Amino acid sequence: AQKVTQAQTEISVVEKEDVTLDCVYETRDTTYYLFWYKQPPSGELVFLIRRNSFDEQNEISGRYSWNFQKSTSSFNFTITASQVVDSAVYFCALIISGNTPLVFGKGTRLSVIA
Amino acid sequence: GAGVSQTPSNKVTEKGKYVELRCDPISGHTALYWYRQSLGQGPEFLIYFQGTGAADDSGLPNDRFFAVRPEGSVSTLKIQRTERGDSAVYLCASSLLGEGGNEQFFGPGTRLTVL
Repeated sequence: AQKVTQAQTEISVVEKEDVTLDCVYETRDTTYYLFWYKQPPSGELVFLIRRNSFDEQNEISGRYSWNFQKSTSSFNFTITASQVVDSAVYFCALIISGNTPLVFGKGTRLSVIA
Repeated sequence: GAGVSQTPSNKVTEKGKYVELRCDPISGHTALYWYRQSLGQGPEFLIYFQGTGAADDSGLPNDRFFAVRPEGSVSTLKIQRTERGDSAVYLCASSLLGEGGNEQFFGPGTRLTVL
């Protein structure tokens, strides 16, 4: 069975600080896909990134960066120079190969204070 | 283009009543998923359709829950004899079919409250 653990329930930072959201996953499959979604107060889940299990390159998109390490089964997400608009609940999720459902972690609530 | 839409956005019902929740996926998306999100939790899988057929309904909690997608586009999640524990946000997502790992696009959800 697949499992995603987000140990940080809530994080609070001051604007412009950097913050890292942790994600640890479990799967016995060798082919899988990892995702991050953002859920702002409006409630709609917004896709941020997808990474497949064969691509361990880190990725940067503007102020966002992701660190994928298969050796520790982690897929961490860093926001640089956080802004108030980054306040949301962030979910890490996993799919094994095929069009299977997403397995979500419990989410990390990020509050960025001005 | 239009995203995934869900109606109603909010539904309040009494214990024991029957409810239907509707999902209109992105045009051309063959895969459709239903998830349920309780307060403070991540979304949990309920059922997944490929076209008209349910490819996986292992997440449905019991036989009071049922979903259909008769023409391969719009889907309806049906809950009979609602219980207070059914209160949650019900999310629908759609995606293209492919080798796997396709991005799922989510709707805004239906907030169900059972009194």
